[in-house]
Amino acid sequence: QQQVKQSPQSLIVQKGGIPIINCAYENTAFDYFPWYQQFPGKGPALLIAIRPDVSEKKEGRFTISFNKSAKQFSLHIMDSQPGDSATYFCAASMTSNTGKLIFGQGTTLQVKP
Amino acid sequence: DTAVSQTPKYLVTQMGNDKSIKCEQNLGHDTMYWYKQDSKKFLKIMFSYNNKELIINETVPNRFSPKSPDKAHLNLHINSLELGDSAVYFCASSLWGGMRIFGQGTRLTVV
Repeated sequence: QQQVKQSPQSLIVQKGGIPIINCAYENTAFDYFPWYQQFPGKGPALLIAIRPDVSEKKEGRFTISFNKSAKQFSLHIMDSQPGDSATYFCAASMTSNTGKLIFGQGTTLQVKP
Repeated sequence: DTAVSQTPKYLVTQMGNDKSIKCEQNLGHDTMYWYKQDSKKFLKIMFSYNNKELIINETVPNRFSPKSPDKAHLNLHINSLELGDSAVYFCASSLWGGMRIFGQGTRLTVV
């Protein structure tokens, strides 16, 4: 119940394409769903986050779509660029508790020029 | 100024040795964490401290012991290092439940 399942494990797109990364969770008590971006040799950095009371959130070229009934959420990267090549992690937490953040398995994205 | 800084960035050591990784945050956050990232890049929580008090202690061998001298510091001491301990260890801090600010990581290699 504490798992967050992320797919695909890896993704290759051409520049300008729209990579989509999907995540699914079981625990309906989760109320905060962030995405982290990690470049090689760096720590993960918060990219964008959503709460279950909204179905979509956009920040620049990054969009989270959230489906509460299906317990799924996804990250879309519009007009992807080679600089977006990184590993992306979805995560879920219950903000009311001690803040245990459960990460998905990660997706390695390569955007080809 | 680096928000969450950990030292060293790289650590190569022999099996059986004892080593420490230090972490400091200058964000004024109440909670600090240690994560382990394995070769498949999976991020797993190890420990969490809130105002110097241990609040999360996942299934981690007793050889791993966190120490928080104050709320800005959380160090990780590892005894009797094993080959399987090789990984990247990340320190992180947060002001509240969901968000995390991560350090740059410490790549530990046990030979």
